[in-house]
Amino acid sequence: DTEVTQTPKHLVMGMTNKKSLKCEQHMGHRAMYWYKQKAKKPPELMFVYSYEKLSINESVPSRFSPECPNSSLLNLHLHALQPEDSALYLCASSQWGGGTLYEQFFGPGTRLTVL
Amino acid sequence: AQSVTQPDIHITVSEGASLELRCNYSYGATPYLFWYVQSPGQGLQLLLKYFSGDTLVQGIKGFEAEFKRSQSSFNLRKPSVHWSDAAEYFCAVEQVGTASKLTFGTGTRLQVTL
Repeated sequence: DTEVTQTPKHLVMGMTNKKSLKCEQHMGHRAMYWYKQKAKKPPELMFVYSYEKLSINESVPSRFSPECPNSSLLNLHLHALQPEDSALYLCASSQWGGGTLYEQFFGPGTRLTVL
Repeated sequence: AQSVTQPDIHITVSEGASLELRCNYSYGATPYLFWYVQSPGQGLQLLLKYFSGDTLVQGIKGFEAEFKRSQSSFNLRKPSVHWSDAAEYFCAVEQVGTASKLTFGTGTRLQVTL
């Protein structure tokens, strides 16, 4: 299985809602990533988890809360979002460790609209 | 800090014509370079990567790229474009430190005319 899955595919939420995005991989990868991609822009890194621990937080607002409950799952909890947070949220995973670089595998993304 | 420049925002080619997408990088050490392709509303698919060794790398879907250290470039090429190649193409450089960080270029949108 060389696939990263993301649910839901589409999400519409109000500014007072709480919702979660889910990402799953079964490739045995020990690094997982969240990216945000606005229309006609490249993906921007938000968070990196390696061995289920948060390694990088790219100064993301606290209304975005990541969680890595196990090595196969990555969640992004959303609360009190703003309309400007509407974007495609991409999850990726890769092998990690030993100072060696590995390619990242991306999921299809969740299209988020904040009303 | 590393950076990636894709000078061409939009390129149109005829089906069957050759293609070259430009990518220039700025990085202090030996770069790890990637080309990804993204169809509308989809995730990113890896076309090819360069870590070390042979500077001409082959990828999927008939794509290749050549790493030129002297020009800080990693241009993507395809000898004959198919209509299904129409998509957004991103060049990226990866920094390895405490964790892996991909920095993407701004992307080149490829349109293919029949």
